[in-house]
Amino acid sequence: GAVVSQHPSRVICKSGTSVKIECRSLDFQATTMFWYRQFPKQSLMLMATSNEGSKATYEQGVEKDKFLINHASLTLSTLTVTSAHPEDSSFYICSAREGGDSGNTIYFGEGSWLTVV
Amino acid sequence: QKEVEQDPGPLSVPEGAIVSLNCTYSNSAFQYFMWYRQYSRKGPELLMYTYSSGNKEDGRFTAQVDKSSKYISLFIRDSQPSDSATYLCAMSALGAQKLVFGQGTRLTINP
Repeated sequence: GAVVSQHPSRVICKSGTSVKIECRSLDFQATTMFWYRQFPKQSLMLMATSNEGSKATYEQGVEKDKFLINHASLTLSTLTVTSAHPEDSSFYICSAREGGDSGNTIYFGEGSWLTVV
Repeated sequence: QKEVEQDPGPLSVPEGAIVSLNCTYSNSAFQYFMWYRQYSRKGPELLMYTYSSGNKEDGRFTAQVDKSSKYISLFIRDSQPSDSATYLCAMSALGAQKLVFGQGTRLTINP
């Protein structure tokens, strides 16, 4: 299947700093990418939908200024957690849609563990 | 009522058993149906993808979609301890961008 790479897999940052997570589709072009947050033993919570070349669409309750999303190319989307606080510590996962004949096939990255200390 | 309902389990079965995982949904517009497997502390991995109704088989895995009943299933034959994971169903409508997920079922295969 298609491969989505997410980096870094783990990051620790100090409270008040910003951290960037990258999501790359390695063998296909992804016009749409998604960012999720997952709490322990819970399902995926969609944060935002990222479309290449346009502004991201955020889900209700997700702070746009805190979670900055950029989808500058057909293979790369980034999530920047700004002014991070300990409550932002979580597992963040991206996914990318493979279009064309595959229709709605969506592949996930390996996820990024963020710890804010 | 949630759009997609999935029994969270946990479900524990002996090695070699046939496992049946299920989801029901309420939105008749859903056309694309997927099953993902998620190991602890990892991103979900796409297992099966089905468009509209019918069955699809891939090795030990069989996905079934019954749109008339708004019910999808994933069967795992000859289950192995390595199948122990959380299984998520997901679906979307034609033209929709987002996937709607079930809550996930935690499955443990006991040696």
